[in-house]
Amino acid sequence: KQEVTQIPAALSVPEGENLVLNCSFTDSAIYNLQWFRQDPGKGLTSLLLIQSSQREQTSGRLNASLDKSSGRSTLYIAASQPGDSATYLCAVAIYNQGGKLIFGQGTELSVKP
Amino acid sequence: NAGVTQTPKFRILKIGQSMTLQCAQDMNHNYMYWYRQDPGMGLKLIYYSVGAGITDKGEVPNGYNVSRSTTEDFPLRLELAAPSQTSVYFCASSYSTTVTEAFFGQGTRLTVV
Repeated sequence: KQEVTQIPAALSVPEGENLVLNCSFTDSAIYNLQWFRQDPGKGLTSLLLIQSSQREQTSGRLNASLDKSSGRSTLYIAASQPGDSATYLCAVAIYNQGGKLIFGQGTELSVKP
Repeated sequence: NAGVTQTPKFRILKIGQSMTLQCAQDMNHNYMYWYRQDPGMGLKLIYYSVGAGITDKGEVPNGYNVSRSTTEDFPLRLELAAPSQTSVYFCASSYSTTVTEAFFGQGTRLTVV
């Protein structure tokens, strides 16, 4: 059974700091891994999608990496801003199961001005 | 485009009542999903569908039912509501989660008292 874990559960950093969020998964049979952002009381917004054959994806100040063999992904946020404060969730699309998305519990990020 | 639309946004049910959570997408996506999110627990998959007329159970299907008669709509039915079903429910869709990102609705906050 696929399990997705995110560490840490919460993180507080000063504005301007570079930071890394971690995601690990137990089964490497995945189509892709996605990183989402969730603001309080809101739905999820897709940030980055990495296909299983890719190593990383970049969008602006965000960079996500994928090491399928070790079951790990990281989300790197450069020069963090208070507007980055949100919960970040990773999810894997399971191979041969309709691409079901299995989520981690999320990392709640707070960027202090 | 409206994307993924969920109704209602909030609802309070009494124990034993029934209701249907509505989900509609206008992106002609084949894949649709229902998740529930409990505090600190990430998202758990309730049911999913890979196309009209096809549905399958996720991780936590007990107490729920779905149907997919059209590509656009994927309603979630709660029969005999229980306090354990108090949660935030999210509907999501994707052209194909094997290769493309998932889009989420804004959620329905349900309280069963």
